[in-house]
Amino acid sequence: AQSVTQPDARVTVSEGASLQLRCKYSSSGTPYLFWYVQYPRQGLQLLLKYYSGDPVVQGVNGFEAEFSKSNSSFHLRKASVHWSDSAVYFCVLRMDSGTYQRFGTGTKLQVVP
Amino acid sequence: NAGVIQTPRHKVTGKGQEATLWCEPISGHSAVFWYRQTIVQGLEFLTYFRNQAPIDDSGMPKERFSAQMPNQSHSTLKIQSTQPQDSAVYLCASRDWGDYEQYFGPGTRLTVL
Repeated sequence: AQSVTQPDARVTVSEGASLQLRCKYSSSGTPYLFWYVQYPRQGLQLLLKYYSGDPVVQGVNGFEAEFSKSNSSFHLRKASVHWSDSAVYFCVLRMDSGTYQRFGTGTKLQVVP
Repeated sequence: NAGVIQTPRHKVTGKGQEATLWCEPISGHSAVFWYRQTIVQGLEFLTYFRNQAPIDDSGMPKERFSAQMPNQSHSTLKIQSTQPQDSAVYLCASRDWGDYEQYFGPGTRLTVL
């Protein structure tokens, strides 16, 4: 069965610190992976996506993610967070044979001064 | 490009009343998806259409929920005899069939009293 797991429901980091949000996936085929961000009372916005090729993908606002087939992971990183990065981040899996996307439970990021 | 439009943004209904949620996909996108977001269940897939035809409604509750796409410019999600447990944010997304990225609307927050 295809699934995606975000083990951390909440993460708190200091402004200017580095960030890693974890994502593990389970799939039987070729996964297509995404990270979305949801700001309060707003819809979901795509941060980055991975289909194939270079396992490190760059996204908007300085975010990047690294795909690891051996670890079944797609962790999101940022070198230096800003208070405006406070939001909920979703790791999303889409199988090549599927059509809709499976969402992780989300990680709520709080950036503190 | 106005993005995916969802109306209303907020809806309050009494228990037992009907609620109809509207979604206008991005022009030219052939696939429309509906999701439900709650704190307890997270983001759940409900149903999707391709070229206005219903393709997969495996996430739809078997009773009281129905979705339609009468033309390429809008889709509706109807909930009959609403119950408090239907309270959620309902998200609509669209995508070009040749793309893997879905574009989300801001959602409709449904509150059933």
